[in-house]
Order: sequence, then structure tokens, then C-alpha cells
Amino acid sequence: EVQLLESGGGLVQPGGSLRLSCAASGFTFSTYAMSWVRQAPGKGLEWVSAISAGGTGTYYADSVKGRFTISRDNSRNTLYLQMTSLRAEDTAVYYCAKVRDPTPPDAFDIWGQGTMVTVSS
Amino acid sequence: DIQMTQSPSSLSASVGDRVTITCRASQGISNYLAWYQQKPGKVPKLLIYAASTLQPGVPSRFSGSGSGTDFTLTISSLQPEDVATYYCQKYNSAPKTFGQGTKLEIK
Repeated sequence: EVQLLESGGGLVQPGGSLRLSCAASGFTFSTYAMSWVRQAPGKGLEWVSAISAGGTGTYYADSVKGRFTISRDNSRNTLYLQMTSLRAEDTAVYYCAKVRDPTPPDAFDIWGQGTMVTVSS
Repeated sequence: DIQMTQSPSSLSASVGDRVTITCRASQGISNYLAWYQQKPGKVPKLLIYAASTLQPGVPSRFSGSGSGTDFTLTISSLQPEDVATYYCQKYNSAPKTFGQGTKLEIK
């Protein structure tokens, strides 16, 4: 079964840092681009960042550029999101998502259950 | 950046009704358009990709159409389990922007 499992969320003070992880299983992780998508409480979906299958291409929303870093370890089947200089407006559930087909670009067919990040003093 | 605008923001319809949600891109995106369904408290689910291709396992009452800048999601006969928020998303290039969502309720 194809699965994505996020971890690493929690409560952090403004200006702090946090690293999210997304463990993948049930598919050949190294052949699929991956993304992070977030959803603030009661709000809509916001695409945050994407990374190519090999990890050489990374892309960011303007709202997180310069503060967040996406990476992956294909030997560990794991996706990461390093978040620094966190702000209250970064408070959200963070989902990792897999693209449907190895040939980009494509939609997100598998989503993790999400991990909550709360930025508050 | 390309903006994605959905309408309406909310919608109330009766069981059996035909429901249509629209999504407009501020620039052409060919057919790189997906629709997702998010039920309350649940993870988003892919319904349609490439503007009109139904994801396997999705009921055939869902359909998508459009190309370029204007797209529609249609539910041919609304069912109680279709209560959810629906999002469109452009995925041709970054940023892979979502629409603001359409909340669908049963009348």
C-alpha cells in the first residue's frame, strides 16, 4: 500500500525552527517528485514547496522562500521540510504529497495524514 | 504568478441535482488542472487530473472539462456523501497554486 507519514510538527515560538519529515512506502520513492502543501486552521490549501525526483530541482511559494528548505533522502525514502524564521502565519497542518506519475508535471494522487505546526509564544 | 479563482465560494444543492463549479486561471495553463475533494476533517483526495481525466476509483458522476483558462467540475447527480470542499489546482509549473475552494452542502 502506498503511504506517506509525516512527523516533526509541534509548538514553536515565533522566529524558531522546525524540521518536518515524510516517510514514504509502497512505491519507488526516488522516481517521483514530491511536494509540501499546508492548510491553516479553517482555511484552504496552500502549495508550499516541491522537489524533483532526484532532488536537484526545488521550488517554493513566495510566502516561504528564503525561510523553508525542501530536501529528500532517496536512500531513506524520506522527504524533509526545514522551516526557519517561523511566523504565526505559518501555523497550519502540513501535508506531504506525491505526484501521480513519474513524468512531470502531474497532480497529487497520494497525501499524508498531515502534521500540525503551531507558531505561538 | 498565475492566480486560480473558483466560483462560487459556497453552494447548497439538493440530492440528485446537477452541480457545477468553475475555476478560472489568470493565464493559460493548457490542461494542467486538477480537482480535489476534501471532506471535513479528512485529507484531500484527487478526483480529476489533466482537466478531464477521472482518477481511478472516483465515481463516474464526477466529470471535468475545460482547457486554457476556464475549467469546470460537474457532479451529475449530487449524493449526500459529496458534501465537501472542492479545490482546483494548476500544476504545470511552480507555484502549483490552488483555488480558494468551493464548499458544497446539501440543501
